[in-house]
Amino acid sequence: RKEVEQDPGPFNVPEGATVAFNCTYSNSASQSFFWYRQDCRKEPKLLMSVYSSGNEDGRFTAQLNRASQYISLLIRDSKLSDSATYLCVVSDQYEGFKTIFGAGTRLFVKA
Amino acid sequence: DAGITQSPRHKVTETGTPVTLRCHQTENHRYMYWYRQDPGHGLRLIHYSYGVKDTDKGEVSDGYSVSRSKTEDFLLTLESATSSQTSVYFCAISEEAGEETQYFGPGTRLLVL
Repeated sequence: RKEVEQDPGPFNVPEGATVAFNCTYSNSASQSFFWYRQDCRKEPKLLMSVYSSGNEDGRFTAQLNRASQYISLLIRDSKLSDSATYLCVVSDQYEGFKTIFGAGTRLFVKA
Repeated sequence: DAGITQSPRHKVTETGTPVTLRCHQTENHRYMYWYRQDPGHGLRLIHYSYGVKDTDKGEVSDGYSVSRSKTEDFLLTLESATSSQTSVYFCAISEEAGEETQYFGPGTRLLVL
């Protein structure tokens, strides 16, 4: 079983749609959680951190469920420019050093 | 954008030849990392550094070595390249380990024939 698992997609949605991605992680001791965005043939960039209480940044909402060990990302009112791969990232600073990246979920937003 | 550059950006080499990739940062961040990214695997940590001359192995370190003689430079060496090392290599930096955001360089596409 992979330490961080994501549905690879692709998710094909029309502009204006709401889309949700889930990510599960296996290490219950994980401390920090992030969503990164990666455009085609580009480097990953931080989209947002994920806090226990959930957090929102404009059209993006991230949630953490520690009991079930999953993280979610909700994108509302999808834009063409949201087309990218979204990487779930889980980190445990106490187990030596360990940051695990999911393989990513591809999103295509179409006009 | 964080000041991270990687060189070369693209390289084609032959099996058995040595290859060195360079990562250079202007942010004075303590931590530097080398990852490889392959389809279906996501980013996998090769080696990381937590200071000048302080390095440690990551998940997929076999066949790779690193050096960090200055804060700003982190070198990744493939002593004898193999076709399985064909990949996209990303360097990343962070101020601290674990909690802090990692900032990535633009990547190096390596093809080993």
